[in-house]
Amino acid sequence: DTAVSQTPKYLVTQMGNDKSIKCEQNLGHDTMYWYKQDSKKFLKIMFSYNNKELIINETVPNRFSPKSPDKAHLNLHINSLELGDSAVYFCASKGQGATGELFFGEGSRLTVL
Amino acid sequence: DAKTTQPPSMDCAEGRAANLPCNHSTISGNEYVYWYRQIHSQGPQYIIHGLKNNETNEMASLIITEDRKSSTLILPHATLRDTAVYYCIVRSLYNTDKLIFGTGTRLQVFP
Repeated sequence: DTAVSQTPKYLVTQMGNDKSIKCEQNLGHDTMYWYKQDSKKFLKIMFSYNNKELIINETVPNRFSPKSPDKAHLNLHINSLELGDSAVYFCASKGQGATGELFFGEGSRLTVL
Repeated sequence: DAKTTQPPSMDCAEGRAANLPCNHSTISGNEYVYWYRQIHSQGPQYIIHGLKNNETNEMASLIITEDRKSSTLILPHATLRDTAVYYCIVRSLYNTDKLIFGTGTRLQVFP
């Protein structure tokens, strides 16, 4: 079974549309993340949730709205998509304890036309 | 969190040891050194972490200098599947929810 799974893997859409990416982890972790990797391959943290509560918001535009219905899920909804939103979005969850490592999903490649 | 500096790229022959250096001269006492890698088109993968002692697991060894200002990740017998971008990250024990990636080292293992 995949530990951290994201859907869809690929998403192509027009500017101005609204889209969502879903993430689920079956590891029993309390903390989940969204990272964005742009065309230059720079991996940047966007959000972190701990037990459904927002912990980190790295000055991401409010067009991006994460939602955590339970601690196993962290979905990313994006309104009014822009060309610059094109990227690969990675979901991750953190292992238990202060030094717990991150487990990443396989990524969702979003292309905005 | 302390900043890290890594060479942008390295090559290694298959079967040889790959030694990937990382400088973290501003590291503080409560900060750990983590290594992750990202194989093309996949999510980053945890490799190893350490505080001040050398560490070894099934994937790699981590050598941290006594002053903790630099470290080396060692892949003892590199394979073609080890071709990836390797990230050295310093992470505070008091801010463990935040893992900040730099630009990493692109390791190319050749036959």
